[in-house]
Amino acid sequence: GENVEQHPSTLSVQEGDSAVIKCTYSDSASNYFPWYKQELGKGPQLIIDIRSNVGEKKDQRIAVTLNKTAKHFSLHITETQPEDSAVYFCAASRGGGADGLTFGKGTHLIIQP
Amino acid sequence: DSGVTQTPKHLITATGQRVTLRCSPRSGDLSVYWYQQSLDQGLQFLIQYYNGEERAKGNILERFSAQQFPDLHSELNLSSLELGDSALYFCASSARAGYNEQFFGPGTRLTVL
Repeated sequence: GENVEQHPSTLSVQEGDSAVIKCTYSDSASNYFPWYKQELGKGPQLIIDIRSNVGEKKDQRIAVTLNKTAKHFSLHITETQPEDSAVYFCAASRGGGADGLTFGKGTHLIIQP
Repeated sequence: DSGVTQTPKHLITATGQRVTLRCSPRSGDLSVYWYQQSLDQGLQFLIQYYNGEERAKGNILERFSAQQFPDLHSELNLSSLELGDSALYFCASSARAGYNEQFFGPGTRLTVL
């Protein structure tokens, strides 16, 4: 089955700096790659996603890049703010109707004021 | 607020018991997913239903079962509970199966004593 590795497990950046979280996946048939943000005591919140026919997607301060050849994808957050502090999860799925997500272990992002 | 509701928020029970967790998907969503989140296993996909039928199975134990009713709400039944079943259980929904965004509910925290 699919295996998703996520790095780093903890990332501390100064407010205003950029943060990058990286994931690799093992199943070349995976076609859908979402990113979730989870705050304490809440459910995961979808923040951005990318499909295999796209190399990059941007939404305001966040962007995701996908390299299908290398089987890795990354989340980029620019101009970080205190409210960006949370745990971020990457995930992958094959889609096609049976599409449970396989998640990475998560990255605890800490924004230092 | 994702629009996905889960009840109860917290559940405390004893080993050997059986519990039922309930999920109402976003209005109009046909697909429901169940996930388990624990410190050691992370976020794991359990099972998916689409319009009342089971569509995909993940790492779901034989002691666990689920169903989706005609009104599209879903229930996850956990039986012969063990200490290791203590975890957060999330429900997610999407408009249809395949390549679609999954929106997570707030979760049910299960504690088995």
